[in-house]
Amino acid sequence: GNSVTQMEGPVTLSEEAFLTINCTYTATGYPSLFWYVQYPGEGLQLLLKATKADDKGSNKGFEATYRKETTSFHLEKGSVQVSDSAVYFCALSEAKTSYDKVIFGPGTSLSVIP
Amino acid sequence: NAGVTQTPKFRILKIGQSMTLQCAQDMNHNYMYWYRQDPGMGLKLIYYSVGAGITDKGEVPNGYNVSRSTTEDFPLRLELAAPSQTSVYFCASRISGQGASGYTFGSGTRLTVV
Repeated sequence: GNSVTQMEGPVTLSEEAFLTINCTYTATGYPSLFWYVQYPGEGLQLLLKATKADDKGSNKGFEATYRKETTSFHLEKGSVQVSDSAVYFCALSEAKTSYDKVIFGPGTSLSVIP
Repeated sequence: NAGVTQTPKFRILKIGQSMTLQCAQDMNHNYMYWYRQDPGMGLKLIYYSVGAGITDKGEVPNGYNVSRSTTEDFPLRLELAAPSQTSVYFCASRISGQGASGYTFGSGTRLTVV
């Protein structure tokens, strides 16, 4: 079946460091891809998305490109801040007739230290 | 817009007790979902609904029940609480149809069964 794999955390970075969180997926067809962020004590929030190959999603300085050839959707940010400390979930959406199933990866915890 | 509202935020139950987790959305989304999130794990789908009067099981439905009498509300019922149901529960909703849209999540209910 379809699945999402993320790099294991936790990831600890110094402020202003470059961030990459790897995400690869297995899917039939052409899923949509998402990154969600969960700040401490809160629910998940959509960070960015891409709906077709070579699309680049971006938001709040984060970017991810839908790479069909490598089945990847890596999250990047050029300079992280302490406020970026959160758990990041990669996800894919399968468009089906009954419901739009979303498969979440296990999440990667990021801590940014001053 | 309030988005997705979950109540209560925290609850401690004794083994064998029952409770209902409430979820309401005011965005006229017809798709609604219940997920549980266990430490270090991704989200697991419990139940979903594609509209009022229509519900179906997700990946981990055992021990839970749902109903959807209105578009706005999607309560989750635990009949005989067990320690394995200790988790954080998230309700989510989305626009119908295609996989391109992302979810809107509630802020979660943290449930402990002792």
